[in-house]
Amino acid sequence: GQSLEQPSEVTAVEGAIVQINCTYQTSGFYGLSWYQQHDGGAPTFLSYNALDGLEETGRFSSFLSRSDSYGYLLLQELQMKDSASYFCAVRPNDYKLSFGAGTTVTVRA
Amino acid sequence: ETGVTQSPTHLIKTRGQQVTLRCSSQSGHNTVSWYQQALGQGPQFIFQYYREEENGRGNFPPRFSGLQFPNYSSELNVNALELDDSALYLCASSRDRAGTNEKLFFGSGTQLSVL
Repeated sequence: GQSLEQPSEVTAVEGAIVQINCTYQTSGFYGLSWYQQHDGGAPTFLSYNALDGLEETGRFSSFLSRSDSYGYLLLQELQMKDSASYFCAVRPNDYKLSFGAGTTVTVRA
Repeated sequence: ETGVTQSPTHLIKTRGQQVTLRCSSQSGHNTVSWYQQALGQGPQFIFQYYREEENGRGNFPPRFSGLQFPNYSSELNVNALELDDSALYLCASSRDRAGTNEKLFFGSGTQLSVL
């Protein structure tokens, strides 16, 4: 099976930087993904790491260390619209994603 | 907007009833997956369909079943509804099976309440 650990809540002010950590245990591993979900909305793909290192997409970056079973999502220059839930998800095989419980990010003015 | 549409958006059923949820995939996508998301939790994988065949299944009982049609739209059927089936049901489509294309496109879901 799979288990993922991520913080339940993070609060920060506009313009700040937030790092959401994710540690995982899995019997198989293709890669680590991150999704954003606003209240009542669809989860939206943010990033995917299959290999160790940092992937940068605009204000968001994602990092993976396979040897440490660890990754993080970095949100820079926080904006009010970034208030949402963020999920890390591992791909243990070629057909499913296993999601963490999610981190609620609250951005304050 | 992902191009994945689900219907209905909300549904109320009573225990023991049956329900069918529908999903239209994004154009050009041949793979659809269904997830159940309980309040305050991450989505849980139910099953995946690839070119009209079930390609993988999560830890859900047989009363959860599905179909994928030639146009790649899909249905999720749940029989003998239980109170714990109350959740947001999400459909996700992708260009191919997950191993070759990591990006899933989710619909906004169907909120099912079982009374």
